[in-house]
Amino acid sequence: DAGVTQSPTHLIKTRGQQVTLRCSPKSGHDTVSWYQQALGQGPQFIFQYYEEEERQRGNFPDRFSGHQFPNYSSELNVNALLLGDSALYLCASSLMMGTNEQFFGPGTRLTVL
Amino acid sequence: AQSVAQPEDQVNVAEGNPLTVKCTYSVSGNPYLFWYVQYPNRGLQFLLKYITGDNLVKGSYGFEAEFNKSQTSFHLKKPSALVSDSALYFCAVRDLGFQKLVFGTGTRLLVSP
Repeated sequence: DAGVTQSPTHLIKTRGQQVTLRCSPKSGHDTVSWYQQALGQGPQFIFQYYEEEERQRGNFPDRFSGHQFPNYSSELNVNALLLGDSALYLCASSLMMGTNEQFFGPGTRLTVL
Repeated sequence: AQSVAQPEDQVNVAEGNPLTVKCTYSVSGNPYLFWYVQYPNRGLQFLLKYITGDNLVKGSYGFEAEFNKSQTSFHLKKPSALVSDSALYFCAVRDLGFQKLVFGTGTRLLVSP
């Protein structure tokens, strides 16, 4: 049973560029959440997708957007990259119903130069 | 708003000794509490959760956590530490009505041989 997968593993971009990160949830899961983890910090919630809709959003600007596909996979898009967007981006999957824990992927390390 | 605090940036313990990593929480209503571990350049791995029931929760890799409502604490414990337990540990609380996790700042555990 495959766990949560993310691609790419690492990414280097320059300021002003746009980036797309991808996530495939654990088999059977229907909900995907995205988190940003800056160096030395705990993960910060960006947003959550369920039934192809954004259900909850954290304190992140509109430059951060996402999408969920019918197969429950998800993308995170960041426009007009800033140096401060450099971080580990984590995807987590779960079931919307119940109190199930979130399973995290290995993350995508984004470096903005 | 839900929040957790991890008062120690780092905990040092000798192999074979018991370990405790501290977490306190602030929530409205009943808390859903979690512990995750992060190894270098890796995503977060779920250790255990408290939803309801027994105050002592058993988790993965021999870890357990004690929920204390009067002290609003959820400390992570292990009777005998291993060098391989050295990692970054995060306490988290689930947001009411959603699956958003709010993380603490993390505690680095160093187990010396």
